[in-house]
Amino acid sequence: KAGVTQTPRYLIKTRGQQVTLSCSPISGHRSVSWYQQTPGQGLQFLFEYFSETQRNKGNFPGRFSGRQFSNSRSEMNVSTLELGDSALYLCASSLFNPGQGTFFGQGTRLTVV
Amino acid sequence: DAKTTQPPSMDCAEGRAANLPCNHSTISGNEYVYWYRQIHSQGPQYIIHGLKNNETNEMASLIITEDRKSSTLILPHATLRDTAVYYCIVRVASAGGTSYGKLTFGQGTILTVHP
Repeated sequence: KAGVTQTPRYLIKTRGQQVTLSCSPISGHRSVSWYQQTPGQGLQFLFEYFSETQRNKGNFPGRFSGRQFSNSRSEMNVSTLELGDSALYLCASSLFNPGQGTFFGQGTRLTVV
Repeated sequence: DAKTTQPPSMDCAEGRAANLPCNHSTISGNEYVYWYRQIHSQGPQYIIHGLKNNETNEMASLIITEDRKSSTLILPHATLRDTAVYYCIVRVASAGGTSYGKLTFGQGTILTVHP
């Protein structure tokens, strides 16, 4: 069974630009969540989607947004990039069942210059 | 979600058992204990989870105390590839629209396995 797939793996953007990251969950998983990891703040929850609806949101500015499609694939978008947005962005999928694990992709390394 | 407390770092000799403790004294009856690990620059890897019974899988064993206020992750025969940051997380297990995806990560324990 294929794992969580994130594209692209690496990305370099300029301040002020916007970026879209993509995530394909494990087949059959309908919950997709996103995390940001930086050396200073660690792993922080961005938001979670289930059945194309945002179910929960972390404490991030409105520049960070996401969506989920009917096939459960998800995208997150960051507009007006800042240097501080440089981070590893991780996508995770689960069965939306607390008795099951949540599985992460390898992440997208975003560098803002 | 309940907070967890883990030692910042631990060492272990290759081939020996690694016992990683986690304190979650404020855990609620409907919260699971999850363990993940993260090897440098990779996505976190799910290891194991449990509610109140001890659990074992091909990677590790999870021992939860009877009062559920602490747990221990056991890697029975640590190898150099087990060097990673290990995260202990508790997560609510109630039904009905609760967000299950959100995992609250602390700083974890840096486990270093030595030859």
